[in-house]
Amino acid sequence: EAAVTQSPRNKVTVTGGNVTLSCRQTNSHNYMYWYRQDTGHGLRLIHYSYGAGNLQIGDVPDGYKATRTTQEDFFLLLELASPSQTSLYFCASSDVRKTSAETLYFGSGTRLTVL
Amino acid sequence: GEQVEQRPPHLSVREGDSAIIICTYTDSATAYFSWYKQEAGAGLQLLMSVLSNVDRKEEQGLTVLLNKKDKRLSLNLTAAHPGDSAVYFCAVSEGGSALGRLHFGAGTQLIVIP
Repeated sequence: EAAVTQSPRNKVTVTGGNVTLSCRQTNSHNYMYWYRQDTGHGLRLIHYSYGAGNLQIGDVPDGYKATRTTQEDFFLLLELASPSQTSLYFCASSDVRKTSAETLYFGSGTRLTVL
Repeated sequence: GEQVEQRPPHLSVREGDSAIIICTYTDSATAYFSWYKQEAGAGLQLLMSVLSNVDRKEEQGLTVLLNKKDKRLSLNLTAAHPGDSAVYFCAVSEGGSALGRLHFGAGTQLIVIP
């Protein structure tokens, strides 16, 4: 079973604050993702990466930066947090191969509140 | 871009009854289809996935149907039990150059009443 660990589990910050969400996966997966989950929208892709040093823009990237420092570690950065970024954030990883279907393994989520 | 609509947003069924959740998508190039389950306070877990060359797949009380003509994907829990109570999401992808990019439905909150 793939292991994806997110930290912190909960975070409260103020408008304009600087926040870093961390994610580590221990299964040598090549792809890692950051999603946000909001009622009525399901999960929306913020950024993703297919390897250390790589970054791809997702569907809702505005206001977010991300960095993949190693195969295992993927960070989501909110440098000037806004209340609209209050959400439940999920990290996921997958071992995407061209000949097989894509299965995502999710962390338990980080609930971020921006006051 | 791909648009995924999921319905119903909420579903209550009695134990032993079937529960059906439907997703429609817009991109005819969509090649990968999956269903995830999210239990309270947890991340999503894959239930079942199919590729576009499969019309029907059954596993452990779950049936996934894919109608490519109508761009419709469904999940049928044939005899629901209280442990099935959760939020269910469909997720689709083009594959190919879009490897790794899943588009999720908005979710269905399923409650199974004992």
